[in-house]
Amino acid sequence: AQKVTQAQTEISVVEKEDVTLDCVYETRDTTYYLFWYKQPPSGELVFLIRRNSFDEQNEISGRYSWNFQKSTSSFNFTITASQVVDSAVYFCALSRALNTGNQFYFGTGTSLTVIP
Amino acid sequence: KAGVTQTPRYLIKTRGQQVTLSCSPISGHRSVSWYQQTPGQGLQFLFEYFSETQRNKGNFPGRFSGRQFSNSRSEMNVSTLELGDSALYLCASSLALGFDYGYTFGSGTRLTVV
Repeated sequence: AQKVTQAQTEISVVEKEDVTLDCVYETRDTTYYLFWYKQPPSGELVFLIRRNSFDEQNEISGRYSWNFQKSTSSFNFTITASQVVDSAVYFCALSRALNTGNQFYFGTGTSLTVIP
Repeated sequence: KAGVTQTPRYLIKTRGQQVTLSCSPISGHRSVSWYQQTPGQGLQFLFEYFSETQRNKGNFPGRFSGRQFSNSRSEMNVSTLELGDSALYLCASSLALGFDYGYTFGSGTRLTVV
């Protein structure tokens, strides 16, 4: 079975602080995809990153960086120098590599509040 | 270009009624997926349609159904509404099946059952 755990329910940081959102996943598949999405108050899920199980290279995009470690089944997300606009709920998700379509397994989300 | 459009944005229904939600994908996208988001269960996959055929289905009762039209627009129907069906319903569209094409989510329809 597939499962994603985001142990941090809510995090508050002061603007310009760095913050790391944790994600731990479970799957028996050897091929799978991992994702991070941001959900602002407007409701839509905004895609941030996708990683496949064979690509453990860490990635940096501006103030965002992701650390994928298969050995610990973790895919953590760090925001450097946080800003108020980063306030949102962040979801980590896992999907099996199905040729017949998608089925995301989402974590329960981490609500991030950046205090000015 | 226009994003994924979901209508209506808000809906209030009475227990026992039925409801139909609509999702218009990004132009050219042929896959539409539906998700239910509740505070207790989080985001759960309902189903995915591609070329008017249901390709995947989550673990929801038969009261939840959907369909896709030839123009790729999709509707989701919930019959005999229960209080627990109150949720944000999100749809996502993609060019085709498979993650190489990416999925874009709409802003959702917030359904309240009273």
